[in-house]
Amino acid sequence: DQQVKQNSPSLSVQEGRISILNCDYTNSMFDYFLWYKKYPAEGPTFLISISSIKDKNEDGRFTVFLNKSAKHLSLHIVPSQPGDSAVYFCAASGLVEAAGNKLTFGGGTRVLVKP
Amino acid sequence: EAQVTQNPRYLITVTGKKLTVTCSQNMNHEYMSWYRQDPGLGLRQIYYSMNVEVTDKGDVPEGYKVSRKEKRNFPLILESPSPNQTSLYFCASSLYRGSNQPQHFGDGTRLSIL
Repeated sequence: DQQVKQNSPSLSVQEGRISILNCDYTNSMFDYFLWYKKYPAEGPTFLISISSIKDKNEDGRFTVFLNKSAKHLSLHIVPSQPGDSAVYFCAASGLVEAAGNKLTFGGGTRVLVKP
Repeated sequence: EAQVTQNPRYLITVTGKKLTVTCSQNMNHEYMSWYRQDPGLGLRQIYYSMNVEVTDKGDVPEGYKVSRKEKRNFPLILESPSPNQTSLYFCASSLYRGSNQPQHFGDGTRLSIL
């Protein structure tokens, strides 16, 4: 049973518009959430994270929102650029998982930004 | 340049022929992990290591072995590979243990077991 789910396998958006990626989780013990970006033939690279004590974290064009009561987080990219075309993974960690340096990943969302 | 290096990047082999995927990091990181990526499942942890000579199982350890004899290296060993181990493998490292430690990933090793 997947504890972290990204229900949209793909997303297509026009350049300059907003991209919204969603992620749901079931384990209430998760206390840290991260987004990774992955280009073909490369490993995932860290993008942005949020602690469970916050509901928003912003870094340039990227903002992550966390709704703990709904066990839901989202990543907003504004404005979207063609270089943002990649697969985005949501990941979660908690005290137990951190002991093993483990991230629990969602299945990924492929984003295509059209010029 | 800070990096995690995996070799080989691609390998096609046959069932039962032992293979090793090497992983090396040059950032003096304590923590290293191996993940496998399968379609729709994201990345799942196979094994991890908290430091030299300290390793433990992740979520999907069956059929794999690891060792950590030096801080920088964390090889993944498939003693008797089977077709269900065909996957994309990633090695990762982080400086310390902790939820808020972003992990650095290698570029991946695509294994095909026939």
